Amino acid sequence: KNQVEQSPQSLIILEGKNCTLQCNYTVSPFSNLRWYKQDTGRGPVSLTIMTFSENTKSNGRYTATLDADTKQSSLHITASQLSDSASYICVVTPGSQGNLIFGKGTKLSVKP
Amino acid sequence: KAGVTQTPRYLIKTRGQQVTLSCSPISGHRSVSWYQQTPGQGLQFLFEYFSETQRNKGNFPGRFSGRQFSNSRSEMNVSTLELGDSALYLCASSRSVSGGGETQYFGPGTRLLVL
Repeated sequence: KNQVEQSPQSLIILEGKNCTLQCNYTVSPFSNLRWYKQDTGRGPVSLTIMTFSENTKSNGRYTATLDADTKQSSLHITASQLSDSASYICVVTPGSQGNLIFGKGTKLSVKP
Repeated sequence: KAGVTQTPRYLIKTRGQQVTLSCSPISGHRSVSWYQQTPGQGLQFLFEYFSETQRNKGNFPGRFSGRQFSNSRSEMNVSTLELGDSALYLCASSRSVSGGGETQYFGPGTRLLVL
């Protein structure tokens, strides 16, 4: 069964610190893996999209990595800011035209 | 460029009623996807429309249906509402089908409460 598991479920860090969020998937084959940021009460916003042949992709202070062999991805946030407080969702697309499969997200809280 | 808009933003219905939600994609985008988001299940795919044709469908009962118009605007309908249909319904648009690696842009969602 195609699944996307994220860890941790929630995380609290201090402003200015770095953190890494994990995403493990069992989807195979897969077309691409995405990370979204969702602020409370708003729709998700795309952070990165990686195909199976890409290892890393950055978007400002956000860096996503992908290991297609171990079926793991991570999202690293550098020098966290209060505005980084949000849920981060990992999404995998199976095959070339399959339906997107969403993880349940990691809820990040950045404290001053 | 205007973003994805959804109407209404909030809705309260009672069990057994039906509801229609509307989504206007970003200008030039031909794909619209619908998702249901609940605290327990997270985001779940409902269906995707591209050029007025349903391209993909998630694992939801037939009470959930949708359509897309020639101007790419989309509506989804839920008939015979159940308490478990209470959720945030999100739509997302992209230039082409979502599975192809195109960036999806989400609307703010419609929060539906079924009493």
